Amino acid sequence: QKEVEQNSGPLSVPEGAIASLNCTYSDRGSQSFFWYRQYSGKSPELIMFIYSNGDKEDGRFTAQLNKASQYVSLLIRDSQPSDSATYLCAVHGGATNKLIFGTGTLLAVQP
Amino acid sequence: DGGITQSPKYLFRKEGQNVTLSCEQNLNHDAMYWYRQDPGQGLRLIYYSQIVNDFQKGDIAEGYSVSREKKESFPLTVTSAQKNPTAFYLCASSIEGQVGYNEQFFGPGTRLTVL
Repeated sequence: QKEVEQNSGPLSVPEGAIASLNCTYSDRGSQSFFWYRQYSGKSPELIMFIYSNGDKEDGRFTAQLNKASQYVSLLIRDSQPSDSATYLCAVHGGATNKLIFGTGTLLAVQP
Repeated sequence: DGGITQSPKYLFRKEGQNVTLSCEQNLNHDAMYWYRQDPGQGLRLIYYSQIVNDFQKGDIAEGYSVSREKKESFPLTVTSAQKNPTAFYLCASSIEGQVGYNEQFFGPGTRLTVL
């Protein structure tokens, strides 16, 4: 089992819809969770982080964390073509004391 | 204008050569990291440093070396011992040294190709 798992996609949504990106992790001791956006050929850009169970909202983005089920998700409301990118989930804490990245989900927003 | 810079943006290496990738940050961050990204794979940690004059191996340190003589700088040398060095190399930094707890910010990356 991979430490951090994401569906590689592509996830295709129409413009204006809600995009839902999911991530599961294996280490129950993990304490902090990050979402990065990476455009093709560019470096990752941090868009959200969450430490506590529940929802955290920032503009059109909402991060959701459920530690009991070991998943973290990212919702993007009113998706725009400019949101088309790969979204990386990263998890820290627990045994490894490192930031572990998933392989990313490719999101394609169709105009 | 604070941030992380990496140079060069593109680098071509011949077989058997050592090359050094530069990473500089003016964010006053304590911790710095080097990752490697291959197509279809997640970022893999090469080395990290939580404080000046100290660094630790990550998951794939073989064939790489680093130094941390200044807080602002964390250069990575890709040696000839690295069997498959063609990849996108990313440098990152974070405020404190507790690895991974604080958010990491990335530089623009260096794309290394072995000819």
